[in-house]
Amino acid sequence: DAKTTQPTSMDCAEGRAANLPCNHSTISGNEYVYWYRQIHSQGPQYIIHGLKNNETNEMASLIITEDRKSSTLILPHATLRDTAVYYCIVRVAGSSNTGKLIFGQGTTLQVKP
Amino acid sequence: ETGVTQTPRHLVMGMTNKKSLKCEQHLGHNAMYWYKQSAKKPLELMFVYNFKEQTENNSVPSRFSPECPNSSHLFLHLHTLQPEDSALYLCASSRRLAGEDEQFFGPGTRLTVL
Repeated sequence: DAKTTQPTSMDCAEGRAANLPCNHSTISGNEYVYWYRQIHSQGPQYIIHGLKNNETNEMASLIITEDRKSSTLILPHATLRDTAVYYCIVRVAGSSNTGKLIFGQGTTLQVKP
Repeated sequence: ETGVTQTPRHLVMGMTNKKSLKCEQHLGHNAMYWYKQSAKKPLELMFVYNFKEQTENNSVPSRFSPECPNSSHLFLHLHTLQPEDSALYLCASSRRLAGEDEQFFGPGTRLTVL
């Protein structure tokens, strides 16, 4: 699975959009980009995933560049409850998949009043 | 509430004790996972089960012994642990092992080994 690079930490004002970047320059054609978050001392929570196209759900939007070497997770209106560590993970999805999620250090997002 | 429950939520044990962590999922999933999260470290995958069969052991010491009696339940039996084994132990499940399916995590068991 390809490696990802994320900033260590970011701040965002409450009510504003939070844009979390992720670099995955060695991503393969069959690898998906997944985002999870972990609020302090809780289990990680799935947010969104995508392959090539931009994706949106009730939690966030995922923008993947055309060359797929980077992506951005967007929380459109951040609240204090969005303060968490956000993990960008690249993972093969298919019959050969072992189910493995490889977590890095992630980005600590601090939403401030 | 993710549909994955873990008990106990907190556990303190001595190095000579034997204890077990329990995970239960109410989602009808077929794959289950144990992860370990030590302080200041990323989550590490420990074991993977698919339809009750172990498919991955990520070089975990034998003092950790998993058991998966059915697709809904996963146990982690602990014996003669070391203080460095103190960590948050997380269970997760997914509908299938392969495919795009996301993993649903439980709240974790905070383990302290004295």
